[in-house]
Amino acid sequence: GNSVTQMEGPVTLSEEAFLTINCTYTATGYPSLFWYVQYPGEGLQLLLKATKADDKGSNKGFEATYRKETTSFHLEKGSVQVSDSAVYFCALRDSGGYQKVTFGIGTKLQVIP
Amino acid sequence: ETGVTQTPRHLVMGMTNKKSLKCEQHLGHNAMYWYKQSAKKPLELMFVYSLEERVENNSVPSRFSPECPNSSHLFLHLHTLQPEDSALYLCASSQETGTGGETQYFGPGTRLLVL
Repeated sequence: GNSVTQMEGPVTLSEEAFLTINCTYTATGYPSLFWYVQYPGEGLQLLLKATKADDKGSNKGFEATYRKETTSFHLEKGSVQVSDSAVYFCALRDSGGYQKVTFGIGTKLQVIP
Repeated sequence: ETGVTQTPRHLVMGMTNKKSLKCEQHLGHNAMYWYKQSAKKPLELMFVYSLEERVENNSVPSRFSPECPNSSHLFLHLHTLQPEDSALYLCASSQETGTGGETQYFGPGTRLLVL
């Protein structure tokens, strides 16, 4: 079956530091890949996505590239802000009819001033 | 504001109570979901409704009973819950086209505590 692996954290960074959150996956087909973010007291919201190999998703300074050869979708940001403190979830979904979304465990990011 | 609302936001109930969680989506989507979010565990998919028909029931105990009266509303009826059912219950919706790249839109969740 499908699975997503990401570090649990917390990851603690100083403001303006570089961020990488690793995500690797196993899937039987050709999935779409997602990063969702959950701010305190809120539900998840889409941060970015990529639907095929070598696509790069980007939003709010965050980027992730769909790497089929390494089955990875690592999240990066060049300069984090305190407001980026949240939990980040990597997820995948196969195509073709109804397919459920498989989520990683979530990585908590804390950015300190 | 994601277009998905959930009520109540917080709920405390005893093990013998009956309560219901409500979800409403204002996005015109054709699929709705219930997830359970517990600390240090991946999101657990509980139920999926597509075009108001249940398409997935992820081995959820019968003390959880979903209801989808129309494409905009989803309920989760709770009865004789256990303390281990305490969690954040998230509702989501999406517009399914079969491509797999559809985004799910989540509500803020109901924080449930079972005493």
